[in-house]
Amino acid sequence: QVQLIQSGAEVRKPGSSVKVSCRASGDSLRKYAISWVRQAPGQGLEWMGGAIPLFGIVRSALNFHERLTITADESTKTVYMELSSLRSDDTAIYYCARDDFFDVIGQFRAFDIWGQGTMVTVSS
Amino acid sequence: QSALTQPASVSGSPGQAITISCTGGSSDIGNYDFVSWYQQHPDKAPQLLIYDVSNRPSGLSNRFSGSKSGNTASLTISGLQAEDEADYYCTSYTKSYTLVFGTGTKVTVL
Repeated sequence: QVQLIQSGAEVRKPGSSVKVSCRASGDSLRKYAISWVRQAPGQGLEWMGGAIPLFGIVRSALNFHERLTITADESTKTVYMELSSLRSDDTAIYYCARDDFFDVIGQFRAFDIWGQGTMVTVSS
Repeated sequence: QSALTQPASVSGSPGQAITISCTGGSSDIGNYDFVSWYQQHPDKAPQLLIYDVSNRPSGLSNRFSGSKSGNTASLTISGLQAEDEADYYCTSYTKSYTLVFGTGTKVTVL
């Protein structure tokens, strides 16, 4: 069974950047799409963006378009999410999630496996 | 892309059936059969319940079912149980090649 293993909690100051990793144990990254989803304290889920290594595609939600960078290293089966110009309202749990249903028509469809989550706290 | 609209809360008694709606527009739910649903218990990662409108992952209880009509998708939980008390979220693929979540629904078992 594939697992997604995320890096540990981070604390950052406003205006700085954070980079969170998500390593897939087992399968090759090329079989899946990997998305990043965040959840602020007491709030709902928010899709940030995702990568499809097989297609060489990276997409970002409009809310994050200029601050979000998603990269994939197939040799280490790791996907990275970097968020820049951090603000206090970026304080959240950040999840990576595997999409085993994607295709050319529907590039981000459903997430069957989730990482354990990484808490990112932005505070001065 | 605005979040899909879900009722803030839905409640039911054990054994009853409840339905959660998820309303979008022609750029998301109305244009694709790529709607999924998730259950999230407190301090846990979400769990996939339904994908592609009405398909259940292998091994998932058939008490959960999904459907869609026009710009609105629905999740029905039949035979409500205490362990179904959780938050539920819908998602849809969009014309912008992105994905959008619903606002979330808290289900309470009375």
